Amino acid sequence: DFQMTQSPSSLSASPGDTVTFTCRASQSIRTNLNWYQQKPGKAPNLLIYGASSLQSGVPSRFSGSGSGTDFTLTISNLQPEDFATYYCQETYSHPWITFGQGTRLEIK
Amino acid sequence: EVQLVESGGGLVQPGGSLRLSCAASGFTFSSYEMNWVRQSPGKGLEWVSYISSSGSTTDYADSAKGRFIISRDNAKNSLFLQMNSLRVEDTAVYYCARTHLYYGYYLMDSWGPGTLVTVSS
Repeated sequence: DFQMTQSPSSLSASPGDTVTFTCRASQSIRTNLNWYQQKPGKAPNLLIYGASSLQSGVPSRFSGSGSGTDFTLTISNLQPEDFATYYCQETYSHPWITFGQGTRLEIK
Repeated sequence: EVQLVESGGGLVQPGGSLRLSCAASGFTFSSYEMNWVRQSPGKGLEWVSYISSSGSTTDYADSAKGRFIISRDNAKNSLFLQMNSLRVEDTAVYYCARTHLYYGYYLMDSWGPGTLVTVSS
């Protein structure tokens, strides 16, 4: 089974900041990595697929990079609506899917 | 507009059963693979089960294997999850999610709002 490890588990930042989250896979998943944003009481929302491709309708301040085992999600110029929890998801082992444990982004 | 709406959640005693439904609209349901994903209170996301577009192939997380059964009715644009032998640790919000294969990548690009299952005596 794949293990997906996200760090940090939580992060405090201010509007206008740039933040970076990391996600590490237990073995290579090439670029089969997606990122989701989830706000309290809501379903997850797809942000990035294929490690670096922006989902339609997602603001360009979100970007993703990485391949193999190490991946990052960067949010530039944080907006108030960006404070949420972010999950990475590997799909290399489709249909088996593994999510990371999440990174909670809080307002400083 | 793509829409997924779950129903069937509620309070059930340990050892009991529950059947969740997901009504799909706004897209050709029979062309898409579907999943159930759950989230225990205050916890992260956990994939539970998968079904192919035709319904001929299914798969389950170890936590669901032997107790849950996923199925679909493409004529009625509906996805189901039959949950048996429920445990306290199955308490969660259950989401149905569409898998979209796009340029070789699998995406869960549409999700329902979720339905809460509470297993408690």
